[in-house]
This record gives sequence, C-alpha cells and structure tokens, in this order.
Amino acid sequence: AQSVTQLDSHVSVSEGTPVLLRCNYSSSYSPSLFWYVQHPNKGLQLLLKYTSAATLVKGINGFEAEFKKSETSFHLTKPSAHMSDAAEYFCVVSDQTSGTYKYIFGTGTRLKVLA
Amino acid sequence: DSGVTQTPKHLITATGQRVTLRCSPRSGDLSVYWYQQSLDQGLQFLIQYYNGEERAKGNILERFSAQQFPDLHSELNLSSLELGDSALYFCASSVNTVSGNTIYFGEGSWLTVV
Repeated sequence: AQSVTQLDSHVSVSEGTPVLLRCNYSSSYSPSLFWYVQHPNKGLQLLLKYTSAATLVKGINGFEAEFKKSETSFHLTKPSAHMSDAAEYFCVVSDQTSGTYKYIFGTGTRLKVLA
Repeated sequence: DSGVTQTPKHLITATGQRVTLRCSPRSGDLSVYWYQQSLDQGLQFLIQYYNGEERAKGNILERFSAQQFPDLHSELNLSSLELGDSALYFCASSVNTVSGNTIYFGEGSWLTVV
C-alpha cells in the first residue's frame, strides 16, 4: 500500500538560510510525487511534481526536490528562505490503480521563517 | 489561480441544517475530488468523481453526499450538520497527461457550524 511520511511537523529557519522539508514514501509502483504549499486561509498550490522524467525537479519560487529511489525519499529544498515561504507544505504520492488516480497526502510540515 | 472554482467561500449555518458546496473544475478536467481539512483531522479525502461517476470513496460520512453533473461541475451536500463538521472543504480537479496526472485545488469553502 502506498504511504507518505513527512518527518517533521514543524520546521523553523532564519530568513536567508536553506530550507529542507523531508518526505519519505512507500509505493509498490513507480509513483508520481508532488509537493504542495498552503498559505494561511488559502488553497493548496502545486509547487512541483516528479513523474520519472528527471530525478531533480525544479518548482516555483526557487524550490526543488530530488527523487531518491534507493532512499524512498523526495525531500524539498530551497537555498535561501524568504519570509513569504512561511506556510504549510504537503508531500503527496499518487499512482494509478483500477483506472483511477489516488492521491495520498502527508500530514504536512509547517514552515516558520524567522526574521 | 488554479482554475478550480468553489462557492461559497464562507458560510455559517446552524447544527442540524443542510448545505451544498459547489465546484467547477478546470476546463477539460474530468475528475473531481473533495477533501475536508480540519485542525484535528488534517486533510481528509472524501470522494472522487470521474465524468459523472463515483470512482473512489474516502472518509465520507453517510450524512454527506456528492454528485458530478453532465457539465462536470460537482456538488457536495452536507446534511444534519454537527459542530464537528466545521472545516475547510476543498474541491480539486485533475487532468491526465502523458507525463502523469496532476491535481489542482480550489481555494476552498469555509464552513462554520454554530
């Protein structure tokens, strides 16, 4: 069965320092993996997605994630945090079974950026 | 803007009442998903429709129901409302591409039950 684990429920970084949000997944198939961001009182916005084309995926707002099959990880990084990055981030795994796509969400990581 | 439209954005209603949340998917998307997000339960998948047919069911209560219409818009009906139903309800739609499937979310409907 598929699952996704976000290893940290809260992460705090100082503005201008690197961001690392960790995600491990479990999937029997070749998965599609996504990161979504949710700012307060907003919907979920797609940051980036992995669909087997390239292991290093670049997303919006300077974020990127690397798919590591051997480690079953898909960690989200950004070289330099900005105050506007403060939000909740969700790692998602998806695959197609029985003709339909299922999406499994992690429990979220709340990123706090300190001035 | 994701292209997924949800109405209403906010509503307040009393316990025991019934409400209907509406979702218009992105143009061309055949799949619609409903999610509930609350502080204590996090993001919960409720139900999925594909081209008018129910495709998958998650943690949806019997008091809740949904449907997808021929024009592909969807409605989520919540009845006999309880205080615990207060949450943010998201609709999402997806498009199939050669490179995979991507799900796009609306801004959500805030439901407060008093």
